[in-house]
Amino acid sequence: NAGVTQTPKFQVLKTGQSMTLQCAQDMNHEYMSWYRQDPGMGLRLIHYSVGAGITDQGEVPNGYNVSRSTTEDFPLRLLSAAPSQTSVYFCASSTVLGETQYFGPGTRLLVL
Amino acid sequence: KQEVTQIPAALSVPEGENLVLNCSFTDSAIYNLQWFRQDPGKGLTSLLLIQSSQREQTSGRLNASLDKSSGRSTLYIAASQPGDSATYLCAVNRKDSSYKLIFGSGTRLLVRP
Repeated sequence: NAGVTQTPKFQVLKTGQSMTLQCAQDMNHEYMSWYRQDPGMGLRLIHYSVGAGITDQGEVPNGYNVSRSTTEDFPLRLLSAAPSQTSVYFCASSTVLGETQYFGPGTRLLVL
Repeated sequence: KQEVTQIPAALSVPEGENLVLNCSFTDSAIYNLQWFRQDPGKGLTSLLLIQSSQREQTSGRLNASLDKSSGRSTLYIAASQPGDSATYLCAVNRKDSSYKLIFGSGTRLLVRP
């Protein structure tokens, strides 16, 4: 199993550009989530999904959209990138609530 | 609002020393608590998960304890090695249906040879 994979590993955007961060898992996990990690602030939940077709907002959802058309994929869309979205983004998955979460290797995003 | 705090923010110890990392949380209504390890430039690796009904979990040289009433968890690392150098994060899972992990800011550990 590849586990949780994320692409790209690194991306530079200009303010106002849009892009999609890809996340996929091959463990048949129902629950998937996106976090951002900023220095001194730990990881904060952006959006999460408890199954295909079901998504909900986390702690810091503004400026981001998600969809979950399949169990395997959970892309994160930045609609109009801002410098405040410069961060490291992690995707995670788990079977159900209360089980161990598995994290991807992260995407480093720089918005100029 | 649930807040998770980890002290100290950084720790440097000589190889072979036993050490304790601390995690505190403000709301005792948690579903479980997880400890993660993060190497520089990498993702998070789950080390131990403690359900709210449990007092401790062990994996090899690692032992995590949970005291819900006092809002505290500790991660004990026995006989530390340079390969243990990493950032250790704790996270609590809220006791509702929201599936939300609340993370601490982490303790950066350096084990000196």
